[in-house]
Amino acid sequence: QSVLTQPPSASGTPGQRVTISCSGSNSNIGSNTVNWYQQLPGTAPKLLIYSNKQRPSGVPDRFSGSKSGTSASLAISGLQSEDEGDYYCAAWDGSLNGFYVFGTGTKVTVL
Amino acid sequence: EVQLLESGGGLVQPGGSLRLSCAASGFTFSSYAMSWVRQAPGEGLEWVSAISDSGGRTYYADSVKGRFTISRDNSKNTLYLQMNGLRAEDTAVYYCAKSESSTSCYSWGQGTLVTVSS
Repeated sequence: QSVLTQPPSASGTPGQRVTISCSGSNSNIGSNTVNWYQQLPGTAPKLLIYSNKQRPSGVPDRFSGSKSGTSASLAISGLQSEDEGDYYCAAWDGSLNGFYVFGTGTKVTVL
Repeated sequence: EVQLLESGGGLVQPGGSLRLSCAASGFTFSSYAMSWVRQAPGEGLEWVSAISDSGGRTYYADSVKGRFTISRDNSKNTLYLQMNGLRAEDTAVYYCAKSESSTSCYSWGQGTLVTVSS
């Protein structure tokens, strides 16, 4: 089963904008919506963006998502120290019997 | 408030079995699809399995197909993962997750650690 490809790391200074890419295929991102998860050190993952660009209640508007074709992006504006952690994209893949696929993960470091 | 509480993790020998449970509260359990996701030490997230709201449809990752079985008891608001033929590579924290509308893994539990070792 395939995975979604993300850069292993991204970094920025406080206040900067950081963007994370997520590359997939026609069977996953190309056909279904993309979700993004944040996992802070020592904690369970938390949904950050769903349906490509929607934010759950309580998620700051500093976080935004977009999708185009078989790729998606997460942008963090006004980077803060508490944003340091791991970020994963995910999408349903309609091939075979269907499965949910996560990205390889990106570690965000606030310099 | 959605609450998901996993239990049943522990140390098991290779080839052994374990059943994980996820007790759900704060929502109408029988109306939502549910999933299991795992994370090996120092690694990324791996989707394991999902089940529809009624339990009539199940989905599995290739890595666990034929060894793991997902099920649910809507009368007890509980999700299960029966794991047989465990291997060292199954060692991970296992998370229970609730879907919302068309979004898989919308809410997450805190996880339970499974260690497969002799």
